[in-house]
Amino acid sequence: AQSVSQHNHHVILSEAASLELGCNYSYGGTVNLFWYVQYPGQHLQLLLKYFSGDPLVKGIKGFEAEFIKSKFSFNLRKPSVQWSDTAEYFCAVRGEVGGSYIPTFGRGTSLIVHP
Amino acid sequence: KAGVTQTPRYLIKTRGQQVTLSCSPISGHRSVSWYQQTPGQGLQFLFEYFSETQRNKGNFPGRFSGRQFSNSRSEMNVSTLELGDSALYLCASSLEGKQAFFGQGTRLTVV
Repeated sequence: AQSVSQHNHHVILSEAASLELGCNYSYGGTVNLFWYVQYPGQHLQLLLKYFSGDPLVKGIKGFEAEFIKSKFSFNLRKPSVQWSDTAEYFCAVRGEVGGSYIPTFGRGTSLIVHP
Repeated sequence: KAGVTQTPRYLIKTRGQQVTLSCSPISGHRSVSWYQQTPGQGLQFLFEYFSETQRNKGNFPGRFSGRQFSNSRSEMNVSTLELGDSALYLCASSLEGKQAFFGQGTRLTVV
């Protein structure tokens, strides 16, 4: 079965601190990988995605993620966070399960950035 | 370009009733997916429709069903509501079934 694990449920940082949110998945085949963000009171939106090619993916707002196939990981990073990055972050994997392409989401990481 | 629109935004139903939720995708998007979001289970995939056909299905009971119309608008129906069906139901549309654009969701409360 396909699963996604986000290690940090709650993260609290001060502005300008560096961020790394962990995401590991379990799936044996080819996957598409995503990070979504949900700002307070807003809908989910895509931060970045990986389908193939360069494993270092750059997204919006200075975020990046690195796909490490051997570790089944897709960690999200940002060198210097801002107060406006306060949000819920979701890692997602999309792979074939029983003939269907099922997206599976992690439980989410709540990030609070103090000004 | 208008985003994904879900109606209604909030809904209160009684156990045993049925409910229909609506989703209007971004213009030109033919793929519509539905998700259930709860504090306990997180975001779970319900099903995906493409060109009026269910293309992918998650692991939910048959009480959860959906359909898609020729204009790509989609509806989701839940019959015989249970307390555990209380959740935020999200709809997402996409081109070619890859990057999903989410709506604000419908908050369903079953009492």
